[in-house]
Amino acid sequence: GQSLEQPSEVTAVEGAIVQINCTYQTSGFYGLSWYQQHDGGAPTFLSYNALDGLEETGRFSSFLSRSDSYGYLLLQELQMKDSASYFCAVVGTALIFGKGTTLSVSS
Amino acid sequence: EPEVTQTPSHQVTQMGQEVILRCVPISNHLYFYWYRQILGQKVEFLVSFYNNEISEKSEIFDDQFSVERPDGSNFTLKIRSTKLEDSAMYFCASSDSSDSSYEQYFGPGTRLTVT
Repeated sequence: GQSLEQPSEVTAVEGAIVQINCTYQTSGFYGLSWYQQHDGGAPTFLSYNALDGLEETGRFSSFLSRSDSYGYLLLQELQMKDSASYFCAVVGTALIFGKGTTLSVSS
Repeated sequence: EPEVTQTPSHQVTQMGQEVILRCVPISNHLYFYWYRQILGQKVEFLVSFYNNEISEKSEIFDDQFSVERPDGSNFTLKIRSTKLEDSAMYFCASSDSSDSSYEQYFGPGTRLTVT
């Protein structure tokens, strides 16, 4: 079977840096994607790692270690609008999502 | 910017009734997907569709579900005999190739309430 683990909640203040970890067990792994979802709206794509290492996209970065079956999303210079749910998703022949991490950013 | 659209935004139906959820994927995309999200839970894969046939389906996608691309723009999910536990948000998504299935574009969802 496939399983992904990520923390259920994270809190931080504006301007801070937060890291959301994701560990996975799966077969047919091509890579790890990250999606953001505000208030049950449409998930939106943030980042993707097919290979080990760090991918940087503006304030957001994502890391993957295939040997450790582990990845993380790093959010820098947090803003109030970053308050949302963040999902890691294993990319195989379909996207399999984790349970999501609710990030609350306070001033 | 092109976007995936879904109708209706909210559908209320009685248990045992059939519902059809509609989606218009991004026009040059070739791969289409349906997901569901029960309130407060994770997004769950239902089915993927390419070249007018199902590519993959999950255990959730049983015989009560079917998908169709009735014309060049619409992509539909039919639930034949709804159950209370089918109440969820249903998201349609599309991607332009199998190589970019990691980046899927999601519609705003249809909230299905089964009473």
